Amino acid sequence: GDSVTQMEGPVTLSEEAFLTINCTYTATGYPSLFWYVQYPGEGLQLLLKATKADDKGSNKGFEATYRKETTSFHLEKGSVQVSDSAVYFCATGNTPLVFGKGTRLSVIA
Amino acid sequence: DVKVTQSSRYLVKRTGEKVFLECVQDMDHENMFWYRQDPGLGLRLIYFSYDVKMKEKGDIPEGYSVSREKKERFSLILESASTNQTSMYLCASSFTSGGLSYEQYFGPGTRLTVT
Repeated sequence: GDSVTQMEGPVTLSEEAFLTINCTYTATGYPSLFWYVQYPGEGLQLLLKATKADDKGSNKGFEATYRKETTSFHLEKGSVQVSDSAVYFCATGNTPLVFGKGTRLSVIA
Repeated sequence: DVKVTQSSRYLVKRTGEKVFLECVQDMDHENMFWYRQDPGLGLRLIYFSYDVKMKEKGDIPEGYSVSREKKERFSLILESASTNQTSMYLCASSFTSGGLSYEQYFGPGTRLTVT
């Protein structure tokens, strides 16, 4: 079946540092890829998505590119802020989506 | 904006009680889902539904049942709550069309404590 592997956390960065959270997947066909974010005490929110190979999803300074050849969808941000502290989930598949286990990011001032 | 609401943010129940968690979405989505989220285990799918009165087991259905009598509402039922069902419960919904995968929209979650 479909699966998602994302890097273990927690990840701790200083403000304005560069962020990469790795995500690789196995899936049947060419499903869409998603990144979700979960702030403390809240549900998951869609951060960005890509629907086909080489698509780049972007939102709030975060980016990820759908790489079919490496089956990856790594999340990046050039300069993180304290407000980016949250848990990030990579997801793929059809219905229902398959989620990675989440990566906790802490950004310190 | 899509809105998924859950009946309670926090709930405390006693062992053996019957517990109902309600979820409502306002976007006419066909699919609805129930997950539980535990530290170190990520999201685990309990049940999902792709149409009214239809249900499918997820990865961990034991100890749970569901009901979907109306398109907008999906209920999770704990027939006899146990302490190992203490968790965060998340509801989600999504659109479906032509076999393509669409994003799931999540509610704020219900933190259930069983004592």
